[in-house]
Amino acid sequence: EVQLVESGGGLVRPGGSLRLSCAASGFTFSSYTMNWVRQAPGKGLEWVSSISSGGTYIYYGDSLKGRFTISRDNTENSLFLLMNSLGADDTAVYYCVRDVKPTVERVTAGAFDFWGQGTMVTVSS
Amino acid sequence: QSALTQPASVSGSPGQSLTISCTGTSSDVGGYDHVSWYQQYPGKAPKLIIYEVSHRPSGVSIRFSGSKSGNTASLTISGLQAEDESDFYCSSYTSGITPVVFGGGTKLTVL
Repeated sequence: EVQLVESGGGLVRPGGSLRLSCAASGFTFSSYTMNWVRQAPGKGLEWVSSISSGGTYIYYGDSLKGRFTISRDNTENSLFLLMNSLGADDTAVYYCVRDVKPTVERVTAGAFDFWGQGTMVTVSS
Repeated sequence: QSALTQPASVSGSPGQSLTISCTGTSSDVGGYDHVSWYQQYPGKAPKLIIYEVSHRPSGVSIRFSGSKSGNTASLTISGLQAEDESDFYCSSYTSGITPVVFGGGTKLTVL
């Protein structure tokens, strides 16, 4: 059974940092492009970042302005998102999501078949 | 880049068929067959129901179908049921700076 379990969310002050983790199991993690998608309270989905299966291709959403860093450890079946200079607009549930098809070092096509339960990030003073 | 355009809300009666549109540009929806649709219930993670315009993942009801014409993709729900009341989002691959863009979401109400 495919499982994606996020952790690391919480309350952080404006300007602070947070590192999210996602533990993957039930599939060959190293064969899939992985992503982070977020959803602000009462708002729609926003794609945040993507990393190809071997980590070669990395993309970020326009609004992030170089503040976030995605990474993965294929030996530990884990995905990470380091978030710096957090602001109120970053308050959201952050989901770890898997591309629908296994691919070898390709950019995501935006189809995500497995989602974690999400971890809440609240930026407030 | 701009989000894909979806109607904020749609409604229908049980048993009816209903279509939700998702309008983009030639740089996303119109240019690639990488349109996906997600269903989301309150407090839950989204669920993929359509990918690559018209493909249904295993286990997704055949009442859900997808299509595309020009820069507009569509999700059709046939035989509307009370349990379909939820939010729906489209997404597309895009040739812009970022590879993925979502629609703003559509709230489906079953009357």
